Formats: sequence, structure tokens, C-alpha cells
Amino acid sequence: SQQGEEDPQALSIQEGENATMNCSYKTSINNLQWYRQNSGRGLVHLILIRSNEREKHSGRLRVTLDTSKKSSSLLITASRAADTASYFCATDAYSGAGSYQLTFGKGTKLSVIP
Amino acid sequence: GAGVSQSPSNKVTEKGKDVELRCDPISGHTALYWYRQSLGQGLEFLIYFQGNSAPDKSGLPSDRFSAERTGGSVSTLTIQRTQQEDSAVYLCASSLAEGLASGNTIYFGEGSWLTVV
Repeated sequence: SQQGEEDPQALSIQEGENATMNCSYKTSINNLQWYRQNSGRGLVHLILIRSNEREKHSGRLRVTLDTSKKSSSLLITASRAADTASYFCATDAYSGAGSYQLTFGKGTKLSVIP
Repeated sequence: GAGVSQSPSNKVTEKGKDVELRCDPISGHTALYWYRQSLGQGLEFLIYFQGNSAPDKSGLPSDRFSAERTGGSVSTLTIQRTQQEDSAVYLCASSLAEGLASGNTIYFGEGSWLTVV
């Protein structure tokens, strides 16, 4: 079952604008990660935020985590055409068979128009 | 190697045939994961290997799916008697040791795109 759900499913913005994507999850977590995927191929890790952290920055990326609401947001500032991709949040969830697995939402498809 | 390597990149197979997908993880990574991604969907966990421990197979969708990891490195995902619903991108990933709960990053390969016709 899906642990994380991203919102919106698709987002189209002009270059230079900020893009905000949200993620909600269901069960308690140790950490939450955001990934980027170009053209349906491999995922690239962007940023990890631990459950005891509330905000984290990396370059033009800002991630927030609200464990009371079981939600996270990813903000990309001053967007560029090269930011066009799908963005996924992933949380670690116990698989029930002895290990923790990253469970992914369906992603937000971001289009940045030059 | 520099990254997670998967082969083949693309595979078209006839319904009912068996396929093998290969993953070569990053050197030194003891944890290896297989995920499946159908068109427009998120990633679905299939199986997880950690060192010499028994693999977590809880995500395998049917007994037509199996995977092995030889010598703690290269892994092969085998799909027997393929069906059209098996068409998807199969992504392999690796990480250091017990990656997730301790916050280690998982590194993904470029995936193997399987099309069953």
C-alpha cells in the first residue's frame, strides 16, 4: 500500500517561480526522503529529513516535516527548466518481514516553462 | 563501480517467456533492493537483501517472481511465464548496511524497462 501521497499530482510553473510539493504519510517514521526522477528512469536522492528535524535546506531546496500532521513539503526556489521532473517522497516503513522499506508515493510531475 | 548498474536497459518479451534482470550494486554496499514502477505510478517494493541474512521477499507479487544475490554482490530478478501486467520499469538500488532506519541514502540504478507483448 502507498505510505506517502504527494500533492499536487502535476504542477506547471514559469521559470523563476517557486514550486511547492506536499507529501502526506500514514504511519510513524524514522526519516523522510525526497527523490527526483527524470523521464521514468532512475531516482536521484535529493534530501533526507529525520523525524526529530522540522526543516532542512540544500541549495535551492527546502524541506519541512510536521510529524504531528504526518506531512512534509518540498520547496524549490527560483525554479529552472532543468528542474522539470517527477518528485517523490519516501518514508521508511516496517515491511512486516524483518526490515524497513522505503515506501513511495505516486509523485508530483513538475513542469517548469522557460 | 561508480553507481548501480542494471541490465538490460530495455527488454521486450513475449507473454509466457521467462526474463532475467541483472543488478550490480555499488561496491561495498551490503543492502540491495528491487522495486517495480508501473507507468505513472510510484515505486512498489519487491525484495530486499542485506548481507548474508535471509532476504525480505514480502513485496514479491506472485510466485512467478524470484530473486537471488550471489556472493553478496550481483543480483538477478527472474520473472517466469511473463504476463502483460508485468510490464514496468524494474529499479534496483543499494545502500550501506542497514540503510533506512539509520538514514543512509539509497542509490538507484537507471532501471530495466520490461515490455511484455
